[in-house]
Amino acid sequence: GAVVSQHPSRVICKSGTSVKIECRSLDFQATTMFWYRQFPKKSLMLMATSNEGSKATYEQGVEKDKFLINHASLTLSTLTVTSAHPEDSSFYICSARGVPGVSTDTQYFGPGTRLTVL
Amino acid sequence: QQQVKQSPQSLIVQKGGISIINCAYENTAFDYFPWYQQFPGKGPALLIAIRPDVSEKKEGRFTISFNKSAKQFSLHIMDSQPGDSATYFCAAQMNTGFQKLVFGTGTRLLVSP
Repeated sequence: GAVVSQHPSRVICKSGTSVKIECRSLDFQATTMFWYRQFPKKSLMLMATSNEGSKATYEQGVEKDKFLINHASLTLSTLTVTSAHPEDSSFYICSARGVPGVSTDTQYFGPGTRLTVL
Repeated sequence: QQQVKQSPQSLIVQKGGISIINCAYENTAFDYFPWYQQFPGKGPALLIAIRPDVSEKKEGRFTISFNKSAKQFSLHIMDSQPGDSATYFCAAQMNTGFQKLVFGTGTRLLVSP
């Protein structure tokens, strides 16, 4: 099956610092990657959609200057939380969808990154 | 119109019983309906998915029933096991644009031994 990895799995940082989270599709090429945020006991909230080589599309209410997304290749997308504050503490999850003609319907999710901002 | 309504919010089933989770949608632009299973501290894992041209899909102990006219679909877990205890999310995928997923609110399933 398709495997998506995330790194790091957990990160603790001080308020005001920036944190980068990597999302990789390990055994398939992902034309589209998605970034979600999940609060405890809540559903997944889509933050942004990124296509390889183009700018990310952010959902309404998501600050694009705070959550920088880069989709530099067909296997890697990064989310950088800039000037993190305690309210940014959350579980961040990425997903990836394949190249047209190869399992394009399904989003495969990474294991998530727990961000704690002190 | 973008919402997917999921019920129940939580569910307790005895081992060996049948777990049933229901979802409903309004937007006819949805054309792909996956179910995801999520354990605490982990990412969602695809369980089973269906398209609206099929009324039922079965994979092992998991079955999706789909009612296109009623815009409803459900997940049945047969012979539920304690290892099935997790949160289940239904989702619906748009057939336009980025084909984003819209998630239901989740159901926390507890299978008692």
